[in-house]
Amino acid sequence: GAGVSQSPRYKVAKRGQDVALRCDPISGHVSLFWYQQALGQGPEFLTYFQNEAQLDKSGLPSDRFFAERPEGSVSTLKIQRTQQEDSAVYLCASIDTDTDTQYFGPGTRLTVL
Amino acid sequence: GENVEQHPSTLSVQEGDSAVIKCTYSDSASNYFPWYKQELGKGPQLIIDIRSNVGEKKDQRIAVTLNKTAKHFSLHITETQPEDSAVYFCAASNYGQNFVFGPGTRLSVLP
Repeated sequence: GAGVSQSPRYKVAKRGQDVALRCDPISGHVSLFWYQQALGQGPEFLTYFQNEAQLDKSGLPSDRFFAERPEGSVSTLKIQRTQQEDSAVYLCASIDTDTDTQYFGPGTRLTVL
Repeated sequence: GENVEQHPSTLSVQEGDSAVIKCTYSDSASNYFPWYKQELGKGPQLIIDIRSNVGEKKDQRIAVTLNKTAKHFSLHITETQPEDSAVYFCAASNYGQNFVFGPGTRLSVLP
């Protein structure tokens, strides 16, 4: 079946612009994670949803980062007033809660100039 | 909170040799330990995982061992092939939440 998809795959933004990154999880997966992966590093937790409820947003680096999942399926990560330090790959993953198996999307590479 | 360390950061082996990557974790509440393979331009892909009630798990050329007392777990790849070349990440989780990743190991398999 279809895996986790993310769009866009690549995004270039000028400093100060707002961006929105989309994640389509595997159908039926209630749990969804967002991660930030800097070059040469492991993924770092940003936020976690169970259905439409955002249960943990402790990893969001600043109040410029906002995530939502209004209908418990598609999720959007929004970054306002982008800064150069926001440049990274943003990964989305959905979880099969029967096995705890995490399925990752291909990521969105954000470059802030 | 949980902290995961991973060694080595880079590893080069000859094709056909074995590769071992080691991780340690700090939170004794962690009970699920997956390993991921990440190829260039792709998201991490689960290759094997182990739960805290199991000491070892094998899947063909890949095996994972867990020592709960010492809080460390290891990935073993036997008969390495060039297509095994990638970055490997370990992670620790508590019941499918709070996944904390290691910094990664870049494995190069030389033909």
